Amino acid sequence: GENVEQHPSTLSVQEGDSAVIKCTYSDSASNYFPWYKQELGKRPQLIIDIRSNVGEKKDQRIAVTLNKTAKHFSLHITETQPEDSAVYFCAASKTGNQFYFGTGTSLTVIP
Amino acid sequence: GAGVSQTPSNKVTEKGKYVELRCDPISGHTALYWYRQSLGQGPEFLIYFQGTGAADDSGLPNDRFFAVRPEGSVSTLKIQRTERGDSAVYLCASSPGHGNPYTFGSGTRLTVV
Repeated sequence: GENVEQHPSTLSVQEGDSAVIKCTYSDSASNYFPWYKQELGKRPQLIIDIRSNVGEKKDQRIAVTLNKTAKHFSLHITETQPEDSAVYFCAASKTGNQFYFGTGTSLTVIP
Repeated sequence: GAGVSQTPSNKVTEKGKYVELRCDPISGHTALYWYRQSLGQGPEFLIYFQGTGAADDSGLPNDRFFAVRPEGSVSTLKIQRTERGDSAVYLCASSPGHGNPYTFGSGTRLTVV
């Protein structure tokens, strides 16, 4: 099956700085890569996703890049704000149904 | 409904007991998923329904776990003879269908004592 690894497990940045979270996957057939944000005690919420026919996607301060050859994808958050503090999960899927999640990155934005 | 609703939000049960966890998906969403999230981990796939049928139940850990969706809407995850290792947050998600992004519910926190 698919194996998704995520790094770092924790990340602290100063407000206004950028944050980058990286994931690798093992199954070259995976073609859909969503990112979820989960605040403490709350549900995971989709923040951005990318499909394998696209190398980069941006939505305001958030961007995701995908390198199919290397089988890795990254989340970039620019101009971080305290409300960006949460746990972020990457995921990979080849069926669009079963997702394999990474172990999460706890992001803390220091005011 | 406006979102995916899960009940109860918290459930404490004794080892060996039977529990049922309910998920009410977004109206019109044909696909429904159950995941389990242990502390400090990402969600782990359990089972996926397309309509009334379980299209993929490969993530169910053993035969103590079972899920149904008899009318293609509400789903119930059933756990028999609960063990302490079953303690986790059980997340339900729904989507309009194959390949569409999920919307997760808030989960049921199950604690087996």
